[in-house]
Amino acid sequence: AQKITQTQPGMFVQEKEAVTLDCTYDTSDQSYGLFWYKQPSSGEMIFLIYQGSYDEQNATEGRYSLNFQKARKSANLVISASQLGDSAMYFCAMSSYGNNRLAFGKGNQVVVIP
Amino acid sequence: EAGVVQSPRYKIIEKKQPVAFWCNPISGHNTLYWYRQNLGQGPELLIRYENEEAVDDSQLPKDRFSAERLKGVDSTLKIQPAELGDSAVYLCASSGGQGLRNEQFFGPGTRLTVL
Repeated sequence: AQKITQTQPGMFVQEKEAVTLDCTYDTSDQSYGLFWYKQPSSGEMIFLIYQGSYDEQNATEGRYSLNFQKARKSANLVISASQLGDSAMYFCAMSSYGNNRLAFGKGNQVVVIP
Repeated sequence: EAGVVQSPRYKIIEKKQPVAFWCNPISGHNTLYWYRQNLGQGPELLIRYENEEAVDDSQLPKDRFSAERLKGVDSTLKIQPAELGDSAVYLCASSGGQGLRNEQFFGPGTRLTVL
C-alpha cells in the first residue's frame, strides 16, 4: 500500500520569500510517480509538478521545484518568490506503475502575507 | 479548451434523501475518476472508469453509492440514502494518458452537506 505523509502545520509566508513543503512517502514499488497539486479556496485541484522515481534530475516548473531524495523517500516542494495567489492547500500525491489511482496526503496550508 | 465540469457546485439535503452529482470530463479523456474529500483530508478515490467500464471501484460503498458512465463520456455518481457522514466534497477528474505521468485534471467539486 502507498502512504503519503504531510505533517506540517499551517504556514505563513512573507510575499517574495521561498517556502518548502514537506512530503514523505512509503511504497514497496520500484516504479512510481510523485505529484504536487494546489487547491485554492475555490476547490479545484491544480497540477503543479511531477517527479518520476527514475528521474535523475529534480523536476522544476517555473517557480516550483521538487527536492527529490529517493533514499529518504521524500519529495519536498519548493515555491520560490511567493505571491499572494499562492495562498492555498498543497497536496502531495503518488501513483504506481499499472495503477492510475493517486494516493494523496492530508495537505499543507500556506498563507502568503504582504 | 473546457475543463472538467461538475454540477451542482453545492447541495444541501436531509439524511436519508437521495442525491446525484454529474461530471463531464475533458473532451477525449478516456479515464474518469470520482474522489471524495473529507474536511481536512486529501481526496480519496471512489471509482475509476476506463471509457464506460468501471475498472477500480474497491473504495465505493456499494450499499448506498452507485455510479455510471454511459457512452464513456459524462458520468453520474449517486448516493441513496445519504447519511450524515457523507458530507464532503465530491471531486471528478479525468485523464487522457497512461503510465506513471498520467496527469489528472480536476473539476471544481460538489460540496455536499447532509443535515
